[in-house]
Amino acid sequence: DAGVIQSPRHEVTEMGQEVTLRCKPISGHDYLFWYRQTMMRGLELLIYFNNNVPIDDSGMPEDRFSAKMPNASFSTLKIQPSEPRDSAVYFCASSKLAGGVKQYFGPGTRLTVT
Amino acid sequence: AQSVSQHNHHVILSEAASLELGCNYSYGGTVNLFWYVQYPGQHLQLLLKYFSGDPLVKGIKGFEAEFIKSKFSFNLRKPSVQWSDTAEYFCAVLDNTDKLIFGTGTRLQVFP
Repeated sequence: DAGVIQSPRHEVTEMGQEVTLRCKPISGHDYLFWYRQTMMRGLELLIYFNNNVPIDDSGMPEDRFSAKMPNASFSTLKIQPSEPRDSAVYFCASSKLAGGVKQYFGPGTRLTVT
Repeated sequence: AQSVSQHNHHVILSEAASLELGCNYSYGGTVNLFWYVQYPGQHLQLLLKYFSGDPLVKGIKGFEAEFIKSKFSFNLRKPSVQWSDTAEYFCAVLDNTDKLIFGTGTRLQVFP
């Protein structure tokens, strides 16, 4: 199994630009999670999906952030417009069962907004 | 809402020293607790977890953690660290809505 796949691994963009982060969960996993990691706040859950349906997006910082999961094998996290304070590592994780029973994390996307 | 506190933000040790990283959580009910590790340049990996039973949990690479309900703690320990243990360590708790809530992490540096 290839594990959770995220792309790109690194993204550098200018303030105001749209950024799209992509995630392919492990096949057969019904749950998909997006996390953001910063030095100041550590790991924060942004949103999670169950069977492609967003269940809890209370962690999404503001309207500039949106996430979709059009099918069981693909999810996107979009930031429009991006700001320097969005610079962070964004992790995608998937799990077969509910919650954190065992979440498998992707390698992360390091986003730098200048 | 549940929360997780990791009071040690940065720990520096020499090889062979003993390690204990603190983790406290806020929820008083049944808890599921986790420690994750992130090695430099790599993604998060599960180190160990506690759901029920023996409060002393053994994980991979010689790590263990002890769940002390009366102290709301789940500290991570290793008797003798190695240079390869240099990483960031995250404590996490599964809340009652099935969300995994992480602490802010502890950066461990081990010098040879």
